[in-house]
Amino acid sequence: NAGVTQTPKFRVLKTGQSMTLLCAQDMNHEYMYWYRQDPGMGLRLIHYSVGEGTTAKGEVPDGYNVSRLKKQNFLLGLESAAPSQTSVYFCASSSGGASVREAFFGQGTRLTVV
Amino acid sequence: AQKVTQAQTEISVVEKEDVTLDCVYETRDTTYYLFWYKQPPSGELVFLIRRNSFDEQNEISGRYSWNFQKSTSSFNFTITASQVVDSAVYFCALSEAGVSSGSARQLTFGSGTQLTVLP
Repeated sequence: NAGVTQTPKFRVLKTGQSMTLLCAQDMNHEYMYWYRQDPGMGLRLIHYSVGEGTTAKGEVPDGYNVSRLKKQNFLLGLESAAPSQTSVYFCASSSGGASVREAFFGQGTRLTVV
Repeated sequence: AQKVTQAQTEISVVEKEDVTLDCVYETRDTTYYLFWYKQPPSGELVFLIRRNSFDEQNEISGRYSWNFQKSTSSFNFTITASQVVDSAVYFCALSEAGVSSGSARQLTFGSGTQLTVLP
């Protein structure tokens, strides 16, 4: 079982460069999330999606864009990377329905912007 | 807006001691779900427990137990007879069902508590 897979696992960017982080889940989950984790600040929600073709802003959406063209994939884009976006990024997914189920997380992507 | 507060940034205990990690939440929704996750030094996030707002029964799983009190908006986590392998960052999280708040299953985490168990 692959679960939630994030690509890439590590990346170094120069300020101003762009990149896309890919999250893929094979559990047919409706909900998908992108978080960033910084020391002492826990996991902060960037964007999330409650279904194919839908996206919504989380707590810290500025500087990021997302797309959910296919149910199994959730892409996080940085159009012009800044050093403040140096962080560990986690993708997660959970099933839909009337009740809220636990989220399954990817292994994380460590991004450094220099 | 939903919010989760974990006031304890770091806790250090000696092996075999009991330790309680606090979690206080805020929500305007009447239906919501609370979670605890563990993040060991290897970095992955491990699900521990899920509780809905209508179930205030405390739960015990081995050395782990959870105390959910709606009256104080708290969902505390106790590890009994702690072990070195319990050393990790522990996160509490909240998701509103969106019944009355209109939110769409946003999953919000607290800032985490770093637990260190010393041998």
